[in-house]
Amino acid sequence: DGGITQSPKYLFRKEGQNVTLSCEQNLNHDAMYWYRQDPGQGLRLIYYSQIVNDFQKGDIAEGYSVSREKKESFPLTVTSAQKNPTAFYLCASRTSGRSYNEQFFGPGTRLTVL
Amino acid sequence: AQTVTQSQPEMSVQEAETVTLSCTYDTSENNYYLFWYKQPPSRQMILVIRQEAYKQQNATENRFSVNFQKAAKSFSLKISDSQLGDTAMYFCAFMKLPYSGAGSYQLTFGKGTKLSVIP
Repeated sequence: DGGITQSPKYLFRKEGQNVTLSCEQNLNHDAMYWYRQDPGQGLRLIYYSQIVNDFQKGDIAEGYSVSREKKESFPLTVTSAQKNPTAFYLCASRTSGRSYNEQFFGPGTRLTVL
Repeated sequence: AQTVTQSQPEMSVQEAETVTLSCTYDTSENNYYLFWYKQPPSRQMILVIRQEAYKQQNATENRFSVNFQKAAKSFSLKISDSQLGDTAMYFCAFMKLPYSGAGSYQLTFGKGTKLSVIP
């Protein structure tokens, strides 16, 4: 079955530690996205990547980093510089081209900083 | 920059009844898509319906339909014959289409409306 997987589902981190969230897709999509969701808020874009080895900052990139070494994978690192990292993180992917623009979402990772 | 506003934080509807969720957006763009996403308690984001701005005809997907008023920048979602499984957060989202084909295609989301379907 094609889809997007995110791991782990729940993640706990101590203050001052970096942590990496995994996102993998087998939809053969070129573009991938990371969003953050806070209670009572919509999703906000952290980073996106249109092709391998290229990525761009979104609206709230400070304290985060990403890599895109493979088409299927787009891991997100939450660094110690992120002041309020506790949130729900969603990864999405989108096929390229103007004719079809749906973003498909993974099941999300809940990050809690202790 | 685009903004999306959902003015109803919470709503409830009786099972089998009809409910309408409101969404307004602000943009200077002329070429864009609008979406409604559903997020049930599992937190999986699911696309409900999509509307291309250049189409005048309102999109429909089974029990879900939209009222797209481009001039008023309004994009409401109507759910007919509400079912218990419709209980979820509903997010309205805007996607700007780049003119050259190279662009982020990012989604700008509203804050959501929590819909409860009452048996």
